[in-house]
Amino acid sequence: DVKVTQSSRYLVKRTGEKVFLECVQDMDHENMFWYRQDPGLGLRLIYFSYDVKMKEKGDIPEGYSVSREKKERFSLILESASTNQTSMYLCASSRRTGGADTQYFGPGTRLTVL
Amino acid sequence: AQSVTQPDIHITVSEGASLELRCNYSYGATPYLFWYVQSPGQGLQLLLKYFSGDTLVQGIKGFEAEFKRSQSSFNLRKPSVHWSDAAEYFCAVGEGNNDMRFGAGTRLTVKP
Repeated sequence: DVKVTQSSRYLVKRTGEKVFLECVQDMDHENMFWYRQDPGLGLRLIYFSYDVKMKEKGDIPEGYSVSREKKERFSLILESASTNQTSMYLCASSRRTGGADTQYFGPGTRLTVL
Repeated sequence: AQSVTQPDIHITVSEGASLELRCNYSYGATPYLFWYVQSPGQGLQLLLKYFSGDTLVQGIKGFEAEFKRSQSSFNLRKPSVHWSDAAEYFCAVGEGNNDMRFGAGTRLTVKP
């Protein structure tokens, strides 16, 4: 079974703090993703990575950066947290195939920025 | 650009009743189609997927979905809903590896 774990289930931070969200997958997947989930908006892609040290912007990258130093680990960084970044953050991984493949999700991190 | 529409934000059904959740997509090519379920406080779990072949696909937990190209739809169905099916359901459409679009979700409430 694929397992995707996220470092925290709940996180409370203050405006202006630097925030790190960690994601680890154990299935040797090439692709990893960070999404943001807000009510009524579904999942929106922040960044994805298709290989170590590779990253590409998704639909809403502003205010975020990512790091992928090892294949199994993908970190999301909020350089200076703001209240509008209060949200649920979901990490996912998938194989790199010729088309879209199943994405496996972690349990999510609910981030509150005060 | 591709998009996914789930017209129903919230649906309530009685336990034992049938269920259909709607999903429409806008896509140029033959899409890869997915349904995911999210229980409260959890991540998303794959219910089923369609890549090609038989347009009626079976998934886990007794769910099925039918791809109708002419209607650009991929509706999810279950003949008899159980209380444990209460959750949020997401339709997703993808083409390439990194090009998955999710609908806004449909929240299902099951009445006893």
